[in-house]
Amino acid sequence: QVQLAESGGGVVQPGRSLRLSCAASGFTFINYGMHWFRQAPGKGLEWVAVISYDGYSAYYADSVQGRFTISRDNYKNTLYLEMSSLRTEDTAVYYCAKGYWSDPMSFLVDIWGQGTMVTVSS
Amino acid sequence: DIVMTQSPDSLAVSLGERAAFNCKSSQSVLSSSNNKNYLAWFRQKPGQPPKMLIYWASTRESGVPDRFSGSGSGTDFTLTISSLQAEDVAVYYCQQYYTHPLTFGGGTKVEIK
Repeated sequence: QVQLAESGGGVVQPGRSLRLSCAASGFTFINYGMHWFRQAPGKGLEWVAVISYDGYSAYYADSVQGRFTISRDNYKNTLYLEMSSLRTEDTAVYYCAKGYWSDPMSFLVDIWGQGTMVTVSS
Repeated sequence: DIVMTQSPDSLAVSLGERAAFNCKSSQSVLSSSNNKNYLAWFRQKPGQPPKMLIYWASTRESGVPDRFSGSGSGTDFTLTISSLQAEDVAVYYCQQYYTHPLTFGGGTKVEIK
């Protein structure tokens, strides 16, 4: 079955960097756009970024534009989120999610991973 | 950005009773090219990731019980649970996928009365 497994979260100081990974299985990864979302403790859901199936197009939330980079390795079936200049307000559970349709960049998502916690604190 | 507003913030309903809650978008999410509303509903149980229930405002995802139904068009939408079950205790979010940035409502927390 379709599975997404995030990793790479942890505690990091403000201003530092961190890279999250999302290992995908159970579907043809190269056919789907992929997303990152986040959820601050006790808060609602926030979309972070999306990348096209081939990795050539991406969009970002204004809150992370210029600091975060989404990428993918279609040989390794893995999605990444490179986060730099981290702020305390980036503290959240980060989820990867799969585009619903096998088109270049589906904005509808269906399957989510279990998430990985990122805490930005001095 | 399209702002999504959900109401109420929380709702307590007796088991077997109907629960309905609303979602309003700051601009229409109805596409003139295909006459579809780019609106989805997600359910998030405590400690779990969200699960997609409804897309195109009223299309149930495969495997979702038929007690869940979505309605509305343009800027005003409703999710209805026809007969609340204990496993439906969760926070429900609407989300527009009409354009980026993708945006969510603040959520409606459903509890048992």
